[in-house]
Amino acid sequence: KQEVTQIPAALSVPEGENLVLNCSFTDSAIYNLQWFRQDPGKGLTSLLLIQSSQREQTSGRLNASLDKSSGRSTLYIAASQPGDSATYLCAVPALLYSGGGADGLTFGKGTHLIIQP
Amino acid sequence: EPEVTQTPSHQVTQMGQEVILRCVPISNHLYFYWYRQILGQKVEFLVSFYNNEISEKSEIFDDQFSVERPDGSNFTLKIRSTKLEDSAMYFCARTGNTGELFFGEGSRLTVL
Repeated sequence: KQEVTQIPAALSVPEGENLVLNCSFTDSAIYNLQWFRQDPGKGLTSLLLIQSSQREQTSGRLNASLDKSSGRSTLYIAASQPGDSATYLCAVPALLYSGGGADGLTFGKGTHLIIQP
Repeated sequence: EPEVTQTPSHQVTQMGQEVILRCVPISNHLYFYWYRQILGQKVEFLVSFYNNEISEKSEIFDDQFSVERPDGSNFTLKIRSTKLEDSAMYFCARTGNTGELFFGEGSRLTVL
């Protein structure tokens, strides 16, 4: 059964700092990995999707890397801003049965990030 | 603009009552999903729906749950006899062309 762990559970840093969020997963037979952002009481916003053939993906100040063999991904946030404050979730295919588009995602508990102005 | 629209945003119900949560995808995609998030816990996969049929479901998705797309547009999740532990945020989602998952804003269900 796929398990996802995110470290740290919470992080508070001053504005402007660069930071790294970590995600690890137990079954490396994944075909992609996705990072999401969740604001309190809100839905999930997709940040980045990394296909298994890719090692990293970038969007603006965000950069996500994937190392399938070691079961790890990192999300790098450059020049953090107070608006980046949210919970960041990592998710990988649950690999329940058939795989592919029908497969559900297994999520980590997230990293609760606070950027101090 | 949200990728999917969910209604209601919040529903309060009595234990044992039936609840129907609705999702309207904006784009015409084939794969749809329901997830739930109990307060303070992980987002959990419930069921995937492809071409008007259940494709995969988790162990959470027992006989109390059902999904359908009755009119080819709305995608519904029904909980037949709600329990206290069904209180959660329920999210509808769809995939994009690259397999990226897009979520709705969620429906908060409170069972009293």
